[in-house]
Amino acid sequence: DAKTTQPPSMDCAEGRAANLPCNHSTISGNEYVYWYRQIHSQGPQYIIHGLKNNETNEMASLIITEDRKSSTLILPHATLRDTAVYYCIVRSKLNQAGTALIFGKGTTLSVSS
Amino acid sequence: GAVVSQHPSRVICKSGTSVKIECRSLDFQATTMFWYRQFPKQSLMLMATSNEGSKATYEQGVEKDKFLINHASLTLSTLTVTSAHPEDSSFYICSARDFRAEAFFGQGTRLTVV
Repeated sequence: DAKTTQPPSMDCAEGRAANLPCNHSTISGNEYVYWYRQIHSQGPQYIIHGLKNNETNEMASLIITEDRKSSTLILPHATLRDTAVYYCIVRSKLNQAGTALIFGKGTTLSVSS
Repeated sequence: GAVVSQHPSRVICKSGTSVKIECRSLDFQATTMFWYRQFPKQSLMLMATSNEGSKATYEQGVEKDKFLINHASLTLSTLTVTSAHPEDSSFYICSARDFRAEAFFGQGTRLTVV
């Protein structure tokens, strides 16, 4: 699986958009970009994933650059409850039921009022 | 999304005793489940891969005789920390992947060994 690079921490004001970057310059053609987050003392929570098109769901939007070497997770209106560690993970989706997700250090997002 | 239930959420045990943690996939079958450990201010570290009906595969540095894993059915995997010591105190998290290979996580178990 391709390696990802994320900033260790970011701050965001409540109500503003939080834009979390991720670099994955060695991503291959069949690898997806996944985002999870972990709120303190809880298990990781799936947020969103994508291959090359931008994706949006009720939690967030995922913007993937045309060359797929980087992506940005956007929380459009951050709340205090969005304070968490956000993990960007790149991996192939096909035939991966038997392999684990490997977590990097992620980005600690702190949302303040 | 699919639900993975982990129990207990918190446990305190005496040094030298054993503790069992259960991980259940509630609405899907998981032939493979995963166990992670997380120390304070660190990321999740994969401990082992649990396969239904067969022996678990442990990551390098994880003692298989200390961390016993049983995956007796398609919806249940258990992790038993044997002869626990204070250095085993950690946050233990299980994960399961459904037929689409999407990963879902339990809520974690905070183990404190005193």
